[in-house]
Amino acid sequence: GAGVSQSPSNKVTEKGKDVELRCDPISGHTALYWYRQSLGQGLEFLIYFQGNSAPDKSGLPSDRFSAERTGGSVSTLTIQRTQQEDSAVYLCASTPLQGLYEQYFGPGTRLTVT
Amino acid sequence: SQKIEQNSEALNIQEGKTATLTCNYTNYSPAYLQWYRQDPGRGPVFLLLIRENEKEKRKERLKVTFDTTLKQSLFHITASQPADSATYLCALAGNYQLIWGAGTKLIIKP
Repeated sequence: GAGVSQSPSNKVTEKGKDVELRCDPISGHTALYWYRQSLGQGLEFLIYFQGNSAPDKSGLPSDRFSAERTGGSVSTLTIQRTQQEDSAVYLCASTPLQGLYEQYFGPGTRLTVT
Repeated sequence: SQKIEQNSEALNIQEGKTATLTCNYTNYSPAYLQWYRQDPGRGPVFLLLIRENEKEKRKERLKVTFDTTLKQSLFHITASQPADSATYLCALAGNYQLIWGAGTKLIIKP
């Protein structure tokens, strides 16, 4: 079946612009995670959605970052007024159940802020 | 704070030998630990999960050990092949999220 997809695969934007990154999880997966990966760094947790529960936003680095998940499926990560330090690969992952089971990752979106 | 350490230097191994990667952690007692493989330009791919009450887990040429006293996990690839070259990430189970190491780049030389 189809895996996790993300779009766009690459995004170059000017400092100060807003960007939207999209994630389509595996159908039926109830949990969805967003991570940020900078070169040589581990995955940095950003936000977690589980079913209809309130999302865990504890990893969002600033109020410029927000995310939503519509209909328990597709998720959008929005970064407002982008800064150069936002440049990274943004990864989305989904899991079939609540809990820390194996995560299925998308290919990521490489964001470059110039 | 919780800290996970993986060898930041690339590991070069001759084809056919066993590759051993290390994941150390501090200030934490995870219920379990996962290992993932990541190729350039791709997201991580799950390999193995080992629980705190399991000392060892195997899958084909892969073996993972978990020593909660030493706070260490070892990841072994036996009979290594050039196709095993990738970055390997360990991740520890937190409350709702995994806590990730930075990964070790493994290079298998033919």
